[in-house]
Amino acid sequence: EVQLLESGGGLAQPGGSLRLSCAASGFSVNTYAMTWVRQAPGKGLEWVSAIRSSGGGTEYADSVTGRFTISRDNVKNMLYLQMNSLRVDDTAVYYCAKDRIGSGHDTWTFDYWGQGSLVTVSS
Amino acid sequence: EIMLTQSPATLSLSPGERATLSCRASQSVNTYLAWYQQKPGQAPRLIIHDAFNRATAIPARFSGSGSGTDFTLTISSLEPEDFAVYYCQQRLTWPLTFGGGTKVEFK
Repeated sequence: EVQLLESGGGLAQPGGSLRLSCAASGFSVNTYAMTWVRQAPGKGLEWVSAIRSSGGGTEYADSVTGRFTISRDNVKNMLYLQMNSLRVDDTAVYYCAKDRIGSGHDTWTFDYWGQGSLVTVSS
Repeated sequence: EIMLTQSPATLSLSPGERATLSCRASQSVNTYLAWYQQKPGQAPRLIIHDAFNRATAIPARFSGSGSGTDFTLTISSLEPEDFAVYYCQQRLTWPLTFGGGTKVEFK
């Protein structure tokens, strides 16, 4: 059974850092494209970052480029989002999600999602 | 960046009624459009991919149509568990983008 479980959220000060983790089970993170999507309180979905299944190439939303880094650990079967220089408007629930098809056929459509991890940036 | 505009923002319907949700793209996305359902406190759930393909285990009352810039998600007969917020998402170009959502609420 495919499962995704985020952790690492919490309260951070503006300018601070947090690292989100996403523990995957039931599949290998190195064979599927993976993504982070966030949702500010009471708002809609906003795509944040993605990593390709083959080669590990990455993509970022303009709003986080240069501040956030997506990565994965194939041995631990984990996805990460390192968030630096946090801003108040980064406050959101962060979801990790898995691509629908694996093995290099990245569709950028996501069929399994974690339950989310709340990040609050406030002084 | 491709903008996705969903309408209406809110749809007030009763169980058994037909729901028609719209998603309009600022430029053509071919059929590279997905629909997700989200209930309060839950993660999104993939409903439709590539404009008209139902995701695994999605009931046949959900259908998607459209191509280019205009897309529709139709729920033929609303069940109580269908009342939720629905988002469209394009995958043609970076950045991936979502629409603002349509809330289907009880009338």
